[in-house]
Amino acid sequence: AQKITQTQPGMFVQEKEAVTLDCTYDTSDQSYGLFWYKQPSSGEMIFLIYQGSYDEQNATEGRYSLNFQKARKSANLVISASQLGDSAMYFCPPTQPGGGNKLTFGTGTQLKVEL
Amino acid sequence: DTEVTQTPKHLVMGMTNKKSLKCEQHMGHRAMYWYKQKAKKPPELMFVYSYEKLSINESVPSRFSPECPNSSLLNLHLHALQPEDSALYLCASSQAMDEQYFGPGTRLTVT
Repeated sequence: AQKITQTQPGMFVQEKEAVTLDCTYDTSDQSYGLFWYKQPSSGEMIFLIYQGSYDEQNATEGRYSLNFQKARKSANLVISASQLGDSAMYFCPPTQPGGGNKLTFGTGTQLKVEL
Repeated sequence: DTEVTQTPKHLVMGMTNKKSLKCEQHMGHRAMYWYKQKAKKPPELMFVYSYEKLSINESVPSRFSPECPNSSLLNLHLHALQPEDSALYLCASSQAMDEQYFGPGTRLTVT
């Protein structure tokens, strides 16, 4: 299985500022994808954005964008104009080698947005 | 509509009880999942159903018994649980290998 590393256990950002959450992965696959999910304290896991390894452009979705560096095996999430509601745990599970719809979550990054 | 619903939201049960968790989606997704999440830990996959057939069982103890009565419903039957089974149980669904959509979860406490 692919290994995911999220090196920032906790991050703080001021409201309206941008923040980057790091995600690196270890894979020998040529074709793979990465999801980003947000989990507020309420518990629900919310899908944010997806990046495929063969996508020519970095994925964007509203205030979320990915800084995908395939050679460095990183897919960092950039949240622009942070809002208080962005305070949550963030995970970046990859797709599985050879396909398959099993998600394996890393340790996550806890983001807190402050006034 | 990208909603997955789960009932109940909270459940407290004794170690001798039998209870069931329910999950429902109406997005036409053909894959459904159960995850278990302990406090301050990432979710861990328990079961995957694909086209109403169990496709993945992550060596889950038999006191957890999944059931997929139809393409919209997923149940998790609980029997003789232990206090360490107390956790947030998340259900999800997806269209094949696409992103998974999660329900709000059931917070289970075993006493």
